[in-house]
Amino acid sequence: DTEVTQTPKHLVMGMTNKKSLKCEQHMGHRAMYWYKQKAKKPPELMFVYSYEKLSINESVPSRFSPECPNSSLLNLHLHALQPEDSALYLCASSRDRVWETQYFGPGTRLLVL
Amino acid sequence: EDQVTQSPEALRLQEGESSSLNCSYTVSGLRGLFWYRQDPGKGPEFLFTLYSAGEEKEKERLKATLTKKESFLHITAPKPEDSATYLCAVSNDYKLSFGAGTTVTVRA
Repeated sequence: DTEVTQTPKHLVMGMTNKKSLKCEQHMGHRAMYWYKQKAKKPPELMFVYSYEKLSINESVPSRFSPECPNSSLLNLHLHALQPEDSALYLCASSRDRVWETQYFGPGTRLLVL
Repeated sequence: EDQVTQSPEALRLQEGESSSLNCSYTVSGLRGLFWYRQDPGKGPEFLFTLYSAGEEKEKERLKATLTKKESFLHITAPKPEDSATYLCAVSNDYKLSFGAGTTVTVRA
């Protein structure tokens, strides 16, 4: 099974709200990722977690705060977002290295009003 | 800086009309090249991983090949359900870098 699940599927939030995106995988993978994808563009890497530790932060604004509570879960906490942050947020996982095959979840469609 | 260029940007095919998508890349320390399929509003679906020049992989109507500078995704006798955006990505030790994708439309 190569399934990565994400909740919620859709999220609408105001610029003053605080919300969280959740990602889960049960493949025993030890590397997990957050990507942001704007319409008609490829996914852009935001964060990489390796063995539950943040290993890469691609200069993402602090209004995005990742968390990895355990090896199966990944959260992305959102606070004071801007309308330009509206996008499809994708979670992915790989066995334990960045260069191994990454499996993506279905994404959370975020709209910031 | 790593670069991945996909061509063409869009491809319109008649059902049964075979064609190829190109992915050219420059990357320091290539670890792997990946093909994904993405339907509108959904996450990328993994298709193939290629690790070394000369490698080929097949799945149903799709076949991926790899040389030292580029990869091809061949679509044989496509069906309307093959309509999607096909993404190519390369990995080094640090990250996965995507191309902009080729949007394929197959008409019945």
